[in-house]
Amino acid sequence: QLQLQESGPGLVKPSETLSLSCTVSGGSISSSIYYWGWVRQPPGKGLEWIGSIYYSGSAYYNLSLKSRVTISVDTSKNQFSLTLNSVTAADTAVYYCARLPDCSSTRCLGVDYWGQGTLVTVSS
Amino acid sequence: FMLTQPHSVSESPGKTVTISCTRSSGSIASNYVQWYQQRPGSFPTTVIYEHNQRPSGVPYRFSGSIDSSSNSASLTISGLQTEDEADYHCQSYDSSNWVFGGGTKLTVL
Repeated sequence: QLQLQESGPGLVKPSETLSLSCTVSGGSISSSIYYWGWVRQPPGKGLEWIGSIYYSGSAYYNLSLKSRVTISVDTSKNQFSLTLNSVTAADTAVYYCARLPDCSSTRCLGVDYWGQGTLVTVSS
Repeated sequence: FMLTQPHSVSESPGKTVTISCTRSSGSIASNYVQWYQQRPGSFPTTVIYEHNQRPSGVPYRFSGSIDSSSNSASLTISGLQTEDEADYHCQSYDSSNWVFGGGTKLTVL
């Protein structure tokens, strides 16, 4: 059974950098039909796709966050990571890592595996 | 593009409710729409994929459709049960960019 687990600090100061990692277990991150992505959810609000990455390193970002976001992948560790610069209180959210199908290559099942989510609070 | 959902809907047990999801630009039919159910404190789970397909384990009471004339997708839940009370999110994509709707809170009262 595939499992995803987020890790990283739960508190980040304004203007600093948010960094999270996601460890994938029970399967390989090196798949050509899945992206690995980050989705966030501010308290009491909806879901927001942050970005996705292929195991090859090709990354895609939400245009509204693109200037501040980097997603990277480490296939040797079966991990992928999120970096968000210059954070503000508006970046306070539960951050989920997730597996997203490449809908042009396989059945578009939606996000089929999620991490449990980690709350990141931006506050001084 | 954006996906717009009503903020909240409510209905009585046993009734039928429909939640809409309107795409702002581009054809709703050009990329599949998925629907997720999210209960408090949990991550979302897929209840509809590829516009109208149900994952195994999702009751037949859940159905999805699209309407090109209104450029929208709909999630319909019939025979409402109290356990259906949750947030529902639509999702689609354009190339490799994914988009979620703002979510709809369903109250079963």
